[in-house]
Amino acid sequence: AQTVTQSQPEMSVQEAETVTLSCTYDTSESDYYLFWYKQPPSRQMILVIRQEAYKQQNATENRFSVNFQKAAKSFSLKISDSQLGDAAMYFCAYRSVEYGGATNKLIFGTGTLLAVQP
Amino acid sequence: NAGVTQTPKFRILKIGQSMTLQCTQDMNHNYMYWYRQDPGMGLKLIYYSVGAGITDKGEVPNGYNVSRSTTEDFPLRLELAAPSQTSVYFCAADRVLTGNSPLHFGNGTRLTVT
Repeated sequence: AQTVTQSQPEMSVQEAETVTLSCTYDTSESDYYLFWYKQPPSRQMILVIRQEAYKQQNATENRFSVNFQKAAKSFSLKISDSQLGDAAMYFCAYRSVEYGGATNKLIFGTGTLLAVQP
Repeated sequence: NAGVTQTPKFRILKIGQSMTLQCTQDMNHNYMYWYRQDPGMGLKLIYYSVGAGITDKGEVPNGYNVSRSTTEDFPLRLELAAPSQTSVYFCAADRVLTGNSPLHFGNGTRLTVT
């Protein structure tokens, strides 16, 4: 079974600085999808960025980018020019490519709570 | 579009009471999911549905039931509430079974069982 591990329960960054959130996963599959979701205090789950495992190029969305290391099974999120509105819980998630009912569910890590200091 | 709407936002139950968490979506998505979020545990899948009339268990289905009589609605039923069911519950919908399309989440229901 696939697992997702976020080893940093909490992180802190100064406004305008850069921070990197770590995520590792375990799978025997060769193709899959990876996601980062943001959950602000409002509880809303917001997709930040996604990556297909077959793509070599790291995904980028404005100030958010990932460092996808397939061999190491690592999927870290880099937030550049951090803003106060980036303060939230961040979840890394894995999704299988193959059809198989519940096996296609999102598998979440335990989250990293990011604080942004003014 | 409202997306995925969950009601209520908050609820306190006594042990042994029952309740239904409502979830409705207006995106005509076939695939719907119920997750629970416990502190420090991420989100765990309770039940999911691939279309009207079809439901199946996820990782943590015990103590819950679901139904899917229409594409739009996917209610979650707690029959005999227990303190272990204190959690935040999220309903989500997706247009595909797999792929990189994002799940559309509701805003959650915070349930406390005392």
